[in-house]
Amino acid sequence: EAGVTQSPTHLIKTRGQQVTLRCSPISGHTSVYWYQQALGLGLQFLLWYDEGEERNRGNFPPRFSGRQFPNYSSELNVNALELEDSALYLCASSWGQGSEKLFFGSGTQLSVL
Amino acid sequence: GESVGLHLPTLSVQEGDNSIINCAYSNSASDYFIWYKQESGKGPQFIIDIRSNMDKRQGQRVTVLLNKTVKHLSLQIAATQPGDSAVYFCAENISGGSYIPTFGRGTSLIVHP
Repeated sequence: EAGVTQSPTHLIKTRGQQVTLRCSPISGHTSVYWYQQALGLGLQFLLWYDEGEERNRGNFPPRFSGRQFPNYSSELNVNALELEDSALYLCASSWGQGSEKLFFGSGTQLSVL
Repeated sequence: GESVGLHLPTLSVQEGDNSIINCAYSNSASDYFIWYKQESGKGPQFIIDIRSNMDKRQGQRVTVLLNKTVKHLSLQIAATQPGDSAVYFCAENISGGSYIPTFGRGTSLIVHP
């Protein structure tokens, strides 16, 4: 069984640009979570999607957005990139609302120059 | 020994020693806890979990202890091996609802051969 897959694995952008990160959950999982992990820091919650709907949002500005598609895959969009957006962006999936255990992908390493 | 740097706390041990990684959680309503291991370049991977109706749970070479009175978790790794070198995160959750799993700061474990 395939795990959570994320693409691309690495990305280099410049300030002011926009980026889209992609995530495919484990087959059968309906919930997708996005976390930001800055270098040496913990995981900061960004967004949670379940059954195509945004269920919760972390303390991030509106230029961080996303969506979940009917096949439960998800995109994270970041507009007007800033230097401090440089981080590892992790996607996790779970069986659905109320499910407790998250399964993580390997992340997308975003560098903003 | 354990030291607290600018970002991640670090625990350095010798191969074969037992390691203890500590975590304080914040929400007294949390009733489900998970330890994750994150190796370099990878996403966090599930190690072991424990529910609040237990105070100890054992896995293969790992034991999790839960002290609800002081909101404290620990992860014990027996006979630590170089392959155990990674960052370890605890996560707290509330079962059955829409609570977002919240991750601790993480501890970097370095195992010296």
